[in-house]
Amino acid sequence: KNEVEQSPQNLTAQEGEFITINCSYSVGISALHWLQQHPGGGIVSLFMLSSGKKKHGRLIATINIQEKHSSLHITASHPRDSAVYICAVPFTGNQFYFGTGTSLTVIP
Amino acid sequence: NAGVTQTPKFQVLKTGQSMTLQCAQDMNHEYMSWYRQDPGMGLRLIHYSVGAGITDQGEVPNGYNVSRSTTEDFPLRLLSAAPSQTSVYFCASSYSYRLDTEAFFGQGTRLTVV
Repeated sequence: KNEVEQSPQNLTAQEGEFITINCSYSVGISALHWLQQHPGGGIVSLFMLSSGKKKHGRLIATINIQEKHSSLHITASHPRDSAVYICAVPFTGNQFYFGTGTSLTVIP
Repeated sequence: NAGVTQTPKFQVLKTGQSMTLQCAQDMNHEYMSWYRQDPGMGLRLIHYSVGAGITDQGEVPNGYNVSRSTTEDFPLRLLSAAPSQTSVYFCASSYSYRLDTEAFFGQGTRLTVV
């Protein structure tokens, strides 16, 4: 049983395309995290959100608590956006249910 | 402010060897945890700590030990390494138990057991 499901698992896009990564979860939450992991790199927190929408540069994250769904959008994608994007739902302050990640490749 | 620091970044062990993965944070965070990341499996919790002197098991604790003698440090010990422990290990910390608290991750330790 996966508490957090992400789609797609793999995504290839041309530079400049608009990208959407989806996350659905089955547990009740008060916040959801989007994480980014570059190849061979560490994990960086992109967003933590509990309602509505957050924007940081070309990245936009939305969440619908009632539908238990969140999306991560990347506008005007760039090769440097190539990474694994992970959705995570905390069930205590330091413990998470993680999605298996979406591997994004942006081709110049 | 270095955040969460993990050492080493890479390690190759022979089956049966022991070693300690180091994790340190300089943010005075109470909560720290260790995860392993395997292809197709996502991140899985090994052990966690809610403060100095307090640790508990996560989803996949077998073969690993932890201790938390200080707020800053949370080492992970492999007692007798096995090929199944080949993985990427991440340490994380957060300030509060609140569910809307940001988590900080280290750069990871890539471990190969041969």
